Amino acid sequence: GENVEQHPSTLSVQEGDSAVIKCTYSDSASNYFPWYKQELGKGPQLIIDIRSNVGEKKDQRIAVTLNKTAKHFSLHITETQPEDSAVYFCAAIATAAGNKLTFGGGTRVLVKP
Amino acid sequence: DADVTQTPRNRITKTGKRIMLECSQTKGHDRMYWYRQDPGLGLRLIYYSFDVKDINKGEISDGYSVSRQAQAKFSLSLESAIPNQTALYFCATSDLPGDGYTFGSGTRLTVV
Repeated sequence: GENVEQHPSTLSVQEGDSAVIKCTYSDSASNYFPWYKQELGKGPQLIIDIRSNVGEKKDQRIAVTLNKTAKHFSLHITETQPEDSAVYFCAAIATAAGNKLTFGGGTRVLVKP
Repeated sequence: DADVTQTPRNRITKTGKRIMLECSQTKGHDRMYWYRQDPGLGLRLIYYSFDVKDINKGEISDGYSVSRQAQAKFSLSLESAIPNQTALYFCATSDLPGDGYTFGSGTRLTVV
């Protein structure tokens, strides 16, 4: 089955700097890669996703890149703000298999004012 | 109202007691999932259901059971609660395999 590894497990950045979280996956058939943000006391929320037919996707200050050959994908947050402090999860799925998402272990991001 | 509602939000129970966590959704999704989250750890899948007649074990199903009463309702039961089942439990739903999940707000369960 699919295995997703996520690094780093914790990330501390100064407000205004960029943050990058990296994930690798094992199943070359995986073709959908969502990212979730979990704020304290809440459930994870989808913030951005990418499919295997594109290499990069942006939404305001967040972007995701995908390298299918190397089987890794990354989340980039620019101009970080205190409200970006949260736990972030990456995930992967091979949609043709009709199965379920496999999540990475999570990254706790702290943005220091 | 929230798309995915979990009840209760918090629960303290004693070792050996049976407890049920409930999840209901208004998304109209066929697929529903139960996850467990422990401090410092990620999301671990307990059970999932792709339609009312379909129930599948996840990676940590021992000590848990589920019931899919309707498309909108998916309940998780702990038959005989033990302290190491103290955790945050999340229900999630999805439509197609290539869609993201919608999570509930979670149930914080403490077994004493």
